[in-house]
Amino acid sequence: AQSVTQLGSHVSVSEGALVLLRCNYSSSVPPYLFWYVQYPNQGLQLLLKYTSAATLVKGINGFEAEFKKSETSFHLTKPSAHMSDAAEYFCAVSQRESSNYQLIWGAGTKLIIKP
Amino acid sequence: EAQVTQNPRYLITVTGKKLTVTCSQNMNHEYMSWYRQDPGLGLRQIYYSMNVEVTDKGDVPEGYKVSRKEKRNFPLILESPSPNQTSLYFCASSLIGGRHGYTFGSGTRLTVV
Repeated sequence: AQSVTQLGSHVSVSEGALVLLRCNYSSSVPPYLFWYVQYPNQGLQLLLKYTSAATLVKGINGFEAEFKKSETSFHLTKPSAHMSDAAEYFCAVSQRESSNYQLIWGAGTKLIIKP
Repeated sequence: EAQVTQNPRYLITVTGKKLTVTCSQNMNHEYMSWYRQDPGLGLRQIYYSMNVEVTDKGDVPEGYKVSRKEKRNFPLILESPSPNQTSLYFCASSLIGGRHGYTFGSGTRLTVV
């Protein structure tokens, strides 16, 4: 079974600083990978996805992620943090078991932005 | 607007009183799924459906039922809710195939007392 590990349950950065949220996955086959964002009291919104095209994927709100097969990583970055980026971020990998295209989720990382 | 609509957003109920959480999508997606989100446990799949009249168990199906009589609707039924079902519930939909990702509803926060 596949698994997803997000390093750091909380990450704190200053406004304007680089955001780096780490995600590693275990998969024996090329995966489909996703980053979702959850704002307080809201549902999950797709930020970006990797589906075996370009390894550098650009998403919404200035975020991007790079798929590195050799490191089994899919880290999320943003050059300059804004206060509005404060949220919880989830990395997920798509796993197929018989007919179920289930998403396997990391535990999430809460991003805290310091003024 | 393409969306998944869940109702209600908040629900407080008593142990044993049957309840239904509705989910509807307007994107003609074949695949629909229910998740629960608990602190420290992340998102766990309850049930999923590949199409009308096709449903199956996810990782934590005990105490839940679902039905898929129409493509757009996928209600979650708790026949006899218990306090351990207090959680945040999300409905999601997708085109078939793992590459598309899910569209999520806004969530239902359920408290069972």
